[in-house]
Amino acid sequence: AQSVSQHNHHVILSEAASLELGCNYSYGGTVNLFWYVQYPGQHLQLLLKYFSGDPLVKGIKGFEAEFIKSKFSFNLRKPSVQWSDTAEYFCAVGGPNFGNEKLTFGTGTRLTIIP
Amino acid sequence: ETGVTQTPRHLVMGMTNKKSLKCEQHLGHNAMYWYKQSAKKPLELMFVYNFKEQTENNSVPSRFSPECPNSSHLFLHLHTLQPEDSALYLCASSQRQGVNTEAFFGQGTRLTVV
Repeated sequence: AQSVSQHNHHVILSEAASLELGCNYSYGGTVNLFWYVQYPGQHLQLLLKYFSGDPLVKGIKGFEAEFIKSKFSFNLRKPSVQWSDTAEYFCAVGGPNFGNEKLTFGTGTRLTIIP
Repeated sequence: ETGVTQTPRHLVMGMTNKKSLKCEQHLGHNAMYWYKQSAKKPLELMFVYNFKEQTENNSVPSRFSPECPNSSHLFLHLHTLQPEDSALYLCASSQRQGVNTEAFFGQGTRLTVV
């Protein structure tokens, strides 16, 4: 069975700092990778996704993530964070063999941005 | 607004009560899901429906009973719950199984069992 690890449980940064949130997965086959974000009091929404092609994917609000197959990683990055980025971030893995109905999520990383 | 609407947003129920959570999607999707989100735990997939048929039951206790009358509506019937069932219950939908697409989530129902 696949699993997802997010090692940073709570990250605190000042505005304009650079961000990198780690995500590692364990699954030997072809994977689809996702980052979801949950702003306080709001629903989970998709930040970005990787299905195939360029391993560097760009998402909304200036976020990007890089799929490194050899490291089983899909880290999320943003060069300069804003206070409005305060939220919880979830990495998830799915796959063409098991589709989205078996998305496996990490435990999430809470990001707090200090003005 | 995600196109996936869940009601109620908050629910407090006793262990002997029976209640239902409702989810409705306006996205034309054919797959719908229930997830459980507990503090400090990964989101747990509970049930999956494709074209109204249940295709996944992730070892969920029988005190949780899903119902999918059509592709746009999904219910989760609750009875004789335990305090440890208190959590945020999320509904999601996506296009049919096997298609490379993302899931869209509702805002969730915050359930407290007392």
